[in-house]
Amino acid sequence: NAGVMQNPRHLVRRRGQEARLRCSPMKGHSHVYWYRQLPEEGLKFMVYLQKENIIDESGMPKERFSAEFPKEGPSILRIQQVVRGDSAAYFCASSPPSMSSYEQYFGPGTRLTVT
Amino acid sequence: AQTVTQSQPEMSVQEAETVTLSCTYDTSESDYYLFWYKQPPSRQMILVIRQEAYKQQNATENRFSVNFQKAAKSFSLKISDSQLGDAAMYFCAYGSFIQGAQKLVFGQGTRLTINP
Repeated sequence: NAGVMQNPRHLVRRRGQEARLRCSPMKGHSHVYWYRQLPEEGLKFMVYLQKENIIDESGMPKERFSAEFPKEGPSILRIQQVVRGDSAAYFCASSPPSMSSYEQYFGPGTRLTVT
Repeated sequence: AQTVTQSQPEMSVQEAETVTLSCTYDTSESDYYLFWYKQPPSRQMILVIRQEAYKQQNATENRFSVNFQKAAKSFSLKISDSQLGDAAMYFCAYGSFIQGAQKLVFGQGTRLTINP
């Protein structure tokens, strides 16, 4: 069973461009979470999605950031008009519908660098 | 809102010795989970150990064990017989529940160095 996959692993964007980060959850997982890790800090929750629904986006910046998890395909975290402060590692995690293990499985992360 | 505090930005230990990493948290909930994650230089987040708040018994996974003090809201990680491969950032995390799934709140992390 493949783990959580994220691509690209590294992404470089100039200020003002758009960044699209993709996350494919583990097979059978229907819950996806996005976290952001700024340099020398812990991970910060951004958004929690289920298929075709945003459940909690309390950690998302109000502007320029959006996320989706369509019925088919990966979850996408989209950052429009990137600024230098968006440079960070973005992690996706997934969990199954049943929360018997209460564990989130993390992907390897995407490191975004804004120049 | 829940908060997680790791008061030790850096720790070091001699190989084969024991080290304890501290974590405190704040919550008004009674049902939750606590986790320790390891982040090596590869940046992959690896679950080390988890504790259910309703369980009084401290969790243990091989060389890793926790000291969970619910009343004090403390959740420390003990690593016994430290190995060079244990060198990493360690994050304490609190798991709360929203609509059937978890939202994790992480501490700032402790960088653990193992001295050969």
